[in-house]
Amino acid sequence: RKEVEQDPGPFNVPEGATVAFNCTYSNSASQSFFWYRQDCRKEPKLLMSVYSSGNEDGRFTAQLNRASQYISLLIRDSKLSDSATYLCVVNTGNQFYFGTGTSLTVIP
Amino acid sequence: EAGVAQSPRYKIIEKRQSVAFWCNPISGHATLYWYQQILGQGPKLLIQFQNNGVVDDSQLPKDRFSAERLKGVDSTLKIQPAKLEDSAVYLCASSLEGGSYEQYFGPGTRLTVT
Repeated sequence: RKEVEQDPGPFNVPEGATVAFNCTYSNSASQSFFWYRQDCRKEPKLLMSVYSSGNEDGRFTAQLNRASQYISLLIRDSKLSDSATYLCVVNTGNQFYFGTGTSLTVIP
Repeated sequence: EAGVAQSPRYKIIEKRQSVAFWCNPISGHATLYWYQQILGQGPKLLIQFQNNGVVDDSQLPKDRFSAERLKGVDSTLKIQPAKLEDSAVYLCASSLEGGSYEQYFGPGTRLTVT
């Protein structure tokens, strides 16, 4: 079983829509969680860390459910500039595990 | 603040040749990572350094890949000999420490093995 699993999509949504991505992880001992954004042919960049209490940054909300071992990312009022691949990252011990990424395209 | 630097940005080699990639992390970052990202996949950790010591290299194909960070600052990743399946983007990242600290990625080296 993979350490981290994501729905690869693609998700094609109209501008202004709300879209949510989920990511499941297999190791209950995992300690920290992140969402990274990767634009085409660019390096990944941190979007937000995910805390147990959930956290919000503008139009983006991340949540962690330890009982069910998943994290989620919600994007409200989608913009064209949100089009990218969103990578779920889980830290277990000293190891970082990346999901395969979920592709999002926001359509005018 | 200068970001993570990597060179070269692109490299094309024939199979069985050797290649080396260089990375200079953000100043003051103790932890350095090398990742391999194959098209359509997420990055896979190859090796993690804490200062000049190896923390994890469990996914590094040691028969052909090697990496060093001799002075605890910049690092080199080498492939010798290269195989077709090594075609990928090699990303270097650094963080203040390991664990829950944010990783900052360099632009990557795109390797094509023909």
